Amino acid sequence: EIVLTQSPGTLSLSPGDRATLSCRASQSVSGSALGWYQHKPGQAPRLLIYGASIRATGIPDRFSGSGSGTDFTLTITRLEPEDFAVYYCQHFGNSPPYTFGQGTKLEIK
Amino acid sequence: EVQLVESGGGLVQPGRSLRLSCAASGFAFNDYAMHWVRQAPGKGLEWVSGISWNSGWIGYADSVKGRFTISRDNAKNSLHLQMNSLRTEDTALYYCAKDMGLGELSPDFDFWGQGILVTVSA
Repeated sequence: EIVLTQSPGTLSLSPGDRATLSCRASQSVSGSALGWYQHKPGQAPRLLIYGASIRATGIPDRFSGSGSGTDFTLTITRLEPEDFAVYYCQHFGNSPPYTFGQGTKLEIK
Repeated sequence: EVQLVESGGGLVQPGRSLRLSCAASGFAFNDYAMHWVRQAPGKGLEWVSGISWNSGWIGYADSVKGRFTISRDNAKNSLHLQMNSLRTEDTALYYCAKDMGLGELSPDFDFWGQGILVTVSA
């Protein structure tokens, strides 16, 4: 079973800052199977990035994904007030077929 | 507009059963796999179960295998999750999610419902 470890657990930044969120897999994974989600309290989670680096429909270009192998990164340039949320990486594999990281909370400093 | 609306949640005693439903609209439901994902209080997201477009593939998390059963009715654009032998650790907000892949299982869920709360408590 592949385990996804996200860091940091909490990231405190100000609007306008750049955010860098990490997702590390316990073994090498295909980038095509790695995605990122944004989740705000009381709302449905939202797909941000799929295939490690492809922005989902309607996602602003300040969001970008990168990485390969075991290390993946979600970068948010120029944070907007609406970007403060919890972010999850997700992997699609064999057993179990879908695994989420534990999440990174991006909070306003 | 894609809409996923969950129903059937509530308060139930340990050991009892509950059936969740998800009404889908705004897309060709019978062309996509569907999933259930949950979030326990104060915890992260956990994939629970998924079903392919034609019910040919069904998967479960180890934590619910043997207790939960996923099904779909393509004629009624609906997804279901029969939850038996419920435990206190099944308490969570349950989300219905649409798979992004057309006609095949994909890594990504592109639309989610607002979620329905299931509380298992004596």
